Amino acid sequence: GQNIDQPTEMTATEGAIVQINCTYQTSGFNGLFWYQQHAGEAPTFLSYNVLDGLEEKGRFSSFLSRSKGYSYLLLKELQMKDSASYLCAAMDSNYQLIWGAGTKLIIKP
Amino acid sequence: GAVVSQHPSWVICKSGTSVKIECRSLDFQATTMFWYRQFPKQSLMLMATSNEGSKATYEQGVEKDKFLINHASLTLSTLTVTSAHPEDSSFYICSAPMGRDYNEQFFGPGTRLTVL
Repeated sequence: GQNIDQPTEMTATEGAIVQINCTYQTSGFNGLFWYQQHAGEAPTFLSYNVLDGLEEKGRFSSFLSRSKGYSYLLLKELQMKDSASYLCAAMDSNYQLIWGAGTKLIIKP
Repeated sequence: GAVVSQHPSWVICKSGTSVKIECRSLDFQATTMFWYRQFPKQSLMLMATSNEGSKATYEQGVEKDKFLINHASLTLSTLTVTSAHPEDSSFYICSAPMGRDYNEQFFGPGTRLTVL
């Protein structure tokens, strides 16, 4: 079956770095997405990886290892506004997104 | 980036009534749109894939006669929740993909449905 695993909740300190891990199993693979979702709002796109390696975009970076079915989202210089849920989603061979349950990130001062 | 709008943003209705939710791609054409439902503290669940010019494809367990989807044009898809019941109360979100291999997806802001 198809499955996405990510931690339910993480806590970090303002100004610090946090890494959110995601493992996936899908029928075929057409890329790994990370989305940010604030409570009561729709998700917003953060990153897309389809090749192995690290993609850096400002304070956020995303890493993919296709052989391991593994990705992580790295957030640097954490700000209070980064408190949100972070959703990992893998695109299968039918170009459909398989979603993880999301990781709730709590930032403390 | 591209913009997807949804209307209404929230709706409260009585049990037994029907509610229509619109999803529009404002500055690009979308032959395919996805409809999701999200219950509190849960991830998005794909309900159906809306295809312009053909019937929608529903996920297993989603009643096609209850959740009517019409992809009227290349910029508009509608989801009608027929005979809504309190258990249908949820956050409904549409998305429209772009790019080769659908590597860009743009989400609407969502519609909060509350059925009394």
